[in-house]
Amino acid sequence: DGGITQSPKYLFRKEGQNVTLSCEQNLNHDAMYWYRQDPGQGLRLIYYSQIVNDFQKGDIAEGYSVSREKKESFPLTVTSAQKNPTAFYLCASSLRGGYNEQFFGPGTRLTVL
Amino acid sequence: DQQVKQNSPSLSVQEGRISILNCDYTNSMFDYFLWYKKYPAEGPTFLISISSIKDKNEDGRFTVFLNKSAKHLSLHIVPSQPGDSAVYFCAAIRAGSNYKLTFGKGTLLTVNP
Repeated sequence: DGGITQSPKYLFRKEGQNVTLSCEQNLNHDAMYWYRQDPGQGLRLIYYSQIVNDFQKGDIAEGYSVSREKKESFPLTVTSAQKNPTAFYLCASSLRGGYNEQFFGPGTRLTVL
Repeated sequence: DQQVKQNSPSLSVQEGRISILNCDYTNSMFDYFLWYKKYPAEGPTFLISISSIKDKNEDGRFTVFLNKSAKHLSLHIVPSQPGDSAVYFCAAIRAGSNYKLTFGKGTLLTVNP
């Protein structure tokens, strides 16, 4: 089945450690996105990529980094510079260049202790 | 500055009745709108969308209405079912923004049997 996978579902890290969240899609989508959701908040865009080897900052990119070496994969690294990393992280993908809906993965709950 | 606003954090309706979820936006450059449904600890799923050149779009039990002059849209669910209980997010796309989505904070809908 086509879809987006995110792993792991739950992730715990100690403060000061970098952590990488995985996102893989087999929908053949060019565009991929990372969002963060906090309680009572909407989804806020961290980074997005329209095509392989290219990505842009979203609204809250500070403390995060990404790479897009393959079309299918868009990993997100939460660095120690991110002040409030505990959140629910969602990855999405879509066709590029149009008013296309984004398809979301199941999310990763990151808790920094 | 929140450009997409869902002013009702929650809504409770009886099974079989109509659910009306509201969304307001401030940026007149938004020209495409989407509704997503989200269950706890899962990724959002796309429900329905509407272009700014239309004022209504219908898909089964779901209808979205757009009032451009008021910068307001609403999602109607008729009849409501207990399985509709979820958080509903309104999102908007602005032309020339790389088709990024701007989300509201969501409305928790509870449909009581």
